Amino acid sequence: GQQVMQIPQYQHVQEGEDFTTYCNSSTTLSNIQWYKQRPGGHPVFLIQLVKSGEVKKQKRLTFQFGEAKKNSSLHITATQTTDVGTYFCAASINSGNTGKLIFGQGTTLQVKP
Amino acid sequence: DAGVIQSPRHEVTEMGQEVTLRCKPISGHNSLFWYRQTMMRGLELLIYFNNNVPIDDSGMPEDRFSAKMPNASFSTLKIQPSEPRDSAVYFCASSFLSTGELFFGEGSRLTVL
Repeated sequence: GQQVMQIPQYQHVQEGEDFTTYCNSSTTLSNIQWYKQRPGGHPVFLIQLVKSGEVKKQKRLTFQFGEAKKNSSLHITATQTTDVGTYFCAASINSGNTGKLIFGQGTTLQVKP
Repeated sequence: DAGVIQSPRHEVTEMGQEVTLRCKPISGHNSLFWYRQTMMRGLELLIYFNNNVPIDDSGMPEDRFSAKMPNASFSTLKIQPSEPRDSAVYFCASSFLSTGELFFGEGSRLTVL
């Protein structure tokens, strides 16, 4: 079936180091969303990317959508302990917002103070 | 504003029993999703509704699972009979069909003994 591959599965960093997670699909994506789930919590929406090559920033977080709309990345600059959690990409395969979002396996980030 | 409300938050039951999970989406949202989360399989989309109509139930594991949305403010996910492998956190999420951003409930943690 349709899959969205996300790497790495786990990442341990020292506070202040940078962090990147990657999301890849063999299928062209309509759009991609990113979510963060704190331990014991529920996924919380971060951002949506729609356009080819799009780059969006939220403070220390930078989100990119590939030119071919088959991959995306989330980069965190100078991680803090509050960044701990699992980051998921979620891809919409069908054109427009028909609703079907396929989640990647997630990257769990641990930050050592 | 109230978010997505799920009940129960925790359920422990014995194999063979019927389980009913409930969800109240955010008022005004016209899409509703049921996801299941496990360590092994991550976040899996079970079924989603647009305007109370089931659109895609291809993720429902088998006939033991059923979901209904009798009106815009209520949905249920039923498992009958339950099995230990159904143990997971079940999330309900809702969104506006036009935007696609998912708002998740806090989840129902199901343990089947």
